[in-house]
Amino acid sequence: EVQLVESGGGLVQPGGSLRLSCAAFEFTFKTYDMGWVRLAPGKGLEWVSHITTSGRDTFHADSVKGRFTISRDNSKNSLFLQMNSLRDEDTAVYYCTKARMGSTRDYDYWGQGTLVTVSS
Amino acid sequence: DIQMTQSPSSLSASIGDRVTITCRASQNIRNYLNWYHQKPGKAPQLLIYAASSLQSGVPSRFSGSGSGTDFTLTISGLQPEDFATYYCQQSYTPFITFGPGTRLEIK
Repeated sequence: EVQLVESGGGLVQPGGSLRLSCAAFEFTFKTYDMGWVRLAPGKGLEWVSHITTSGRDTFHADSVKGRFTISRDNSKNSLFLQMNSLRDEDTAVYYCTKARMGSTRDYDYWGQGTLVTVSS
Repeated sequence: DIQMTQSPSSLSASIGDRVTITCRASQNIRNYLNWYHQKPGKAPQLLIYAASSLQSGVPSRFSGSGSGTDFTLTISGLQPEDFATYYCQQSYTPFITFGPGTRLEIK
């Protein structure tokens, strides 16, 4: 069974940094695009970032561009999200997601989510 | 960026009802439209991809239609487990956007 397990969330002060990780199991990780999606308290789903299979192409939402960086290590079946210059409005549950097929941008598997709280 | 809107924003319905949720894109996205639902405290689940294709394992009471800018999700015969928030998502561009969500509640 495909499994995505996020880690790295926690409480951080405004302006601080966090690095989220996602460990992937039971699928050929290097052949699928991956992404991050977040759900802020009282809000709807917001796409954050997407990365292609090789990691060569990355895409970020305007709200995080220049502050967040998505990356992957195919040798370790792992996805990452480096978050810098964190703001209150980045508080959310962050989900690691797997593309349904290779390079599609619909997501068929999601992790359980990791909570990031930005507060002083 | 492509903007997505959904209507209604919330909906009350009864077990066994047929409900329809509408999603509109700010520009032509062909059939690059996907539907998810999410229950409180749970991860979202993909229901429909490419506007009308049923994701594996999803009950056949869920169906999707539309192309271009206007899309619908229909649930035929609501079940207790269907009460959740529903989101549409465009995947036409690499800069993905979700609709604001439709909260489906029990009447």
